[in-house]
Amino acid sequence: AQTVTQSQPEMSVQEAETVTLSCTYDTSESDYYLFWYKQPPSRQMILVIRQEAYKQQNATENRFSVNFQKAAKSFSLKISDSQLGDAAMYFCAYMGGGADGLTFGKGTHLIIQP
Amino acid sequence: DGGITQSPKYLFRKEGQNVTLSCEQNLNHDAMYWYRQDPGQGLRLIYYSQIVNDFQKGDIAEGYSVSREKKESFPLTVTSAQKNPTAFYLCASSIGWASNQPQHFGDGTRLSIL
Repeated sequence: AQTVTQSQPEMSVQEAETVTLSCTYDTSESDYYLFWYKQPPSRQMILVIRQEAYKQQNATENRFSVNFQKAAKSFSLKISDSQLGDAAMYFCAYMGGGADGLTFGKGTHLIIQP
Repeated sequence: DGGITQSPKYLFRKEGQNVTLSCEQNLNHDAMYWYRQDPGQGLRLIYYSQIVNDFQKGDIAEGYSVSREKKESFPLTVTSAQKNPTAFYLCASSIGWASNQPQHFGDGTRLSIL
């Protein structure tokens, strides 16, 4: 079974600075997909960014980018120019080639200090 | 607007009672999912369905049941066999089998024991 580990229960960053959230995963599959979801206090799950394992190029979405290290099974999220609206729980998630549901990490609570 | 509608937003269950959580989507998505979220935990997969009239157990299916009679609907029943049902329940859908398609989430149902 696949596992996803987020080793940082909570992170704090000053507004406008950069923060990196860590995620590691374990799988024996070669074809899979990785996602970062944001969950603000409203509890809504919002997709932040996704990465296909077969792509070597790291995904980028505006201020959000990932550092995908396939051999190390690492998938970290970098948030540049942090904004107050970025404060939320962030979940790393894995989906294998069978599209049989996401496996989530336990989340990182991101605090933005004004 | 297309989206996923979960109802009710809050639900209370008495001991020994079955309750049903509704999930409807108008995104024309083939695949639908149910997740459970406990405090300090990531989401865990309960059941998923990749096509009408077919569904599969996820990681924590015991005490739950589902049906998929229509493409747009995927109700979840929490049975009396589920001894610890208090949690936040999220329904999701995705366009189909391809796991590179992100899942879209509803706003959730919070279930509590009376």
